[in-house]
Amino acid sequence: GQQLNQSPQSMFIQEGEDVSMNCTSSSIFNTWLWYKQEPGEGPVLLIALYKAGELTSNGRLTAQFGITRKDSFLNISASIPSDVGIYFCAGTINNAGNMLTFGGGTRLMVKP
Amino acid sequence: DSGVTQTPKHLITATGQRVTLRCSPRSGDLSVYWYQQSLDQGLQFLIQYYNGEERAKGNILERFSAQQFPDLHSELNLSSLELGDSALYFCASSVRTGKSHWDAEAFFGQGTRLTVV
Repeated sequence: GQQLNQSPQSMFIQEGEDVSMNCTSSSIFNTWLWYKQEPGEGPVLLIALYKAGELTSNGRLTAQFGITRKDSFLNISASIPSDVGIYFCAGTINNAGNMLTFGGGTRLMVKP
Repeated sequence: DSGVTQTPKHLITATGQRVTLRCSPRSGDLSVYWYQQSLDQGLQFLIQYYNGEERAKGNILERFSAQQFPDLHSELNLSSLELGDSALYFCASSVRTGKSHWDAEAFFGQGTRLTVV
């Protein structure tokens, strides 16, 4: 089936640093979404992208839908300790079912 | 709080048994999705229902089944349980028609942690 390759797998950064993570696929995606999951919780939607080239921000988070429709990135600026968690990219390939294909996640750790 | 409610939060059961996981979607959402999250497979789509009808199927085992009721709540039934079925099971819901890519904005519940012993 379709796969999303997400990198890096983990990041350990200093508070205040900027963070960048990305997802790539060999398939074309119609939508890209970014979720954050904290321990014991379900994934929480951060940003949704619908058009190739689209750049969307949500506070300190910025995500882009790649021009080729096969990739997306998420940037977090000026990281804070509460940014800790696992970030997942996800996408849909067709409109009929809208089931999400998920990347493997990026585990972010922030050192105060 | 996403507005999606899943019960129970934790479930411990023996191999060979059958369990039912329950999900109440956000108010007004017509689509319900079930996902399985395990350490080795990550988040995997199982099945989607839209307004009571099955809309899409993923890598769902034949031992698993689901349904969506007229009040839009959904149940995931897992039978003949094996040790490898131990995982987090998430329900997600989304709004609108189920035919637009805008429906991709799925909101997840807190999950049910199933442990098979």
